[in-house]
Amino acid sequence: GAVVSQHPSRVICKSGTSVKIECRSLDFQATTMFWYRQFPKKSLMLMATSNEGSKATYEQGVEKDKFLINHASLTLSTLTVTSAHPEDSSFYICSAEFLNEQFFGPGTRLTVL
Amino acid sequence: DAKTTQPPSMDCAEGRAANLPCNHSTISGNEYVYWYRQIHSQGPQYIIHGLKNNETNEMASLIITEDRKSSTLILPHATLRDTAVYYCIVRDAYSGAGSYQLTFGKGTKLSVIP
Repeated sequence: GAVVSQHPSRVICKSGTSVKIECRSLDFQATTMFWYRQFPKKSLMLMATSNEGSKATYEQGVEKDKFLINHASLTLSTLTVTSAHPEDSSFYICSAEFLNEQFFGPGTRLTVL
Repeated sequence: DAKTTQPPSMDCAEGRAANLPCNHSTISGNEYVYWYRQIHSQGPQYIIHGLKNNETNEMASLIITEDRKSSTLILPHATLRDTAVYYCIVRDAYSGAGSYQLTFGKGTKLSVIP
């Protein structure tokens, strides 16, 4: 139980385009989901906390207009990277809160050309 | 900033026990010690957590010192599939939705050698 999926697992896009990443809790409902970013050989950095039915809470230094988060249902949160640039290339990981614990998705590798 | 200190890397022979140390000298009374690991290009995987007592599950054992300022994660019989970055994290007791934020440090890269 407590499985979290992400789609797509890998995406390559051109600079200036927008990319949407989905995070789903498959066998539980999650009021709260988290989005992390991880650069090569670096640790995970929390980007934002996504709450179902309300606005996301962004960490300091994360542009909310660039990284749009929508948590429209108890099983789905989406992260849209708008006007992507090569420096946005990274590994994006989501997690979902369930039974006082946090369960992670497999991650999405974004490459912006 | 992460509240823990871990060695950047360790090696362990396959089949032997892997003992991964973590220093959390500023831990407060209501903070738990959590361990996650991240295999290359995958999301973190929960391993174990504890407050004061030693804990054991099917994956590992967690030994917490009496003063709670440090802990050791023990993988009793390391396999090649245990090669990963291991993160030791301290966090507050759960206090409501969204309070469960994790701050990842740099972790320990464990290499299990054949």
